Amino acid sequence: GAGVSQSPSNKVTEKGKDVELRCDPISGHTALYWYRQSLGQGLEFLIYFQGNSAPDKSGLPSDRFSAERTGGSVSTLTIQRTQQEDSAVYLCASSWDPQPYNEQFFGPGTRLTVL
Amino acid sequence: GDSVTQMEGPVTLSEEAFLTINCTYTATGYPSLFWYVQYPGEGLQLLLKATKADDKGSNKGFEATYRKETTSFHLEKGSVQVSDSAVYFCALSASQTGTASKLTFGTGTRLQVTL
Repeated sequence: GAGVSQSPSNKVTEKGKDVELRCDPISGHTALYWYRQSLGQGLEFLIYFQGNSAPDKSGLPSDRFSAERTGGSVSTLTIQRTQQEDSAVYLCASSWDPQPYNEQFFGPGTRLTVL
Repeated sequence: GDSVTQMEGPVTLSEEAFLTINCTYTATGYPSLFWYVQYPGEGLQLLLKATKADDKGSNKGFEATYRKETTSFHLEKGSVQVSDSAVYFCALSASQTGTASKLTFGTGTRLQVTL
C-alpha cells in the first residue's frame, strides 16, 4: 500500500514569508508525528497528533510554528515569518497507534530552504 | 530528559568486515529501542527494534540486544556489504501516562563500506 507522502519535496522561500508543508499519513494510522532534521540539531521531535488532537506540542521551536490535522488524516505544518534557521528537512511519520513499541513510518521529507 | 548517545562517524569499513555501532541511552520508564537507517536519497526506515530488556532485534543480518543493565543497544553485523552504506540512527520511545510516544534520536552514524 501507499506509504507516508509529503509535499512539496522541496521548498525555497524568502525570509519573512509563510510556508505550509503537507503530510498524508498511511491510511488508518491514528498517530502522526512531525520531526525536523538539520545539520546542527540532528533529528528533533516537533509535534504529535492523535486523531485531530495534538496532545504534545513540546518540540515546536517558537510560536511561528503551528500544525493542524483534519479528518484524522492529512496534516499541515505552517511556519510563519520564516527565518534562515528554519532551513531543514521536515519529516512526517505515522503509526497505527501511539504505543511506544510501534514502528513509525516516515515520509520522504520536505527540504525547506530559507534565503 | 530522555537522550540517546551514539558513536561519532563516519565509520569506514571494507566489505565483509565486522560492524559495531555503539548506542547508549538515558530514559525514564521502560523505553522501546530502535535502529533506523537512511540510505542515500531515501527516507528513514526501521531496521530493527526491541521493546523490553534482553530482547534481541534482528533484520538483514543486523542485530542489537536491549541491555538494561548497561543502558545500551549496540548495532552489530558480522559481514558488511557495500549496500549497507547509509546513516544509522539509534532511537528510543519512552511513553509515560499522558505523553506521546515520540522518538528521541541519536546524532546518527554514517557508515561507508568500500570494496
